Amino acid sequence: GAVVSQHPSRVICKSGTSVKIECRSLDFQATTMFWYRQFPKQSLMLMATSNEGSKATYEQGVEKDKFLINHASLTLSTLTVTSAHPEDSSFYICSARDWQTDTQYFGPGTRLTVL
Amino acid sequence: GIQVEQSPPDLILQEGANSTLRCNFSDSVNNLQWFHQNPWGQLINLFYIPSGTKQNGRLSATTVATERYSLLYISSSQTTDSGVYFCAVRGVDSNYQLIWGAGTKLIIKP
Repeated sequence: GAVVSQHPSRVICKSGTSVKIECRSLDFQATTMFWYRQFPKQSLMLMATSNEGSKATYEQGVEKDKFLINHASLTLSTLTVTSAHPEDSSFYICSARDWQTDTQYFGPGTRLTVL
Repeated sequence: GIQVEQSPPDLILQEGANSTLRCNFSDSVNNLQWFHQNPWGQLINLFYIPSGTKQNGRLSATTVATERYSLLYISSSQTTDSGVYFCAVRGVDSNYQLIWGAGTKLIIKP
């Protein structure tokens, strides 16, 4: 099946620093990628939808200046958490849509801890 | 917007038992997927099944689109089946976004 990689898998940073998370579709082209956030014992919460070559669409309540998304190619999207604070600590998951099968495939997630 | 409800929220079974997980949705969909999230957080695609029936080993799924529900069957459960099972759908008027159910947490005891 299709593979989506996500890096890093785990990051611990100090409050005020910025953290970049990469999401790559390894064996298919993804015109659309999604970024989710998951709190403990809860379902996934969509943060934003990114389309290759255009600006991301953010969900209501998600600060676009805080969560910068770039989708510069058909296989790579990045999420940068700027000036991270402890409340940004969470599990961040990306997914990529394979347009040929209309199926979303998920990365393994990034566990962010902000001290 | 479209609502997705999964039941039961929690399920505890002995190894070898069979189980049925349900996903109800409130409007017409053109995409429905079942996922398994393992204890390490990885989401694994199980089925893409907006309608009909599919089988993959011990797992099978059926979606009755006209009645707006989908069922995931797990037979001869193994401890490795433990985790959270999510149903996610896309409404016909949606822009590729999946709407997620709250999940069913399955624990298989040895």
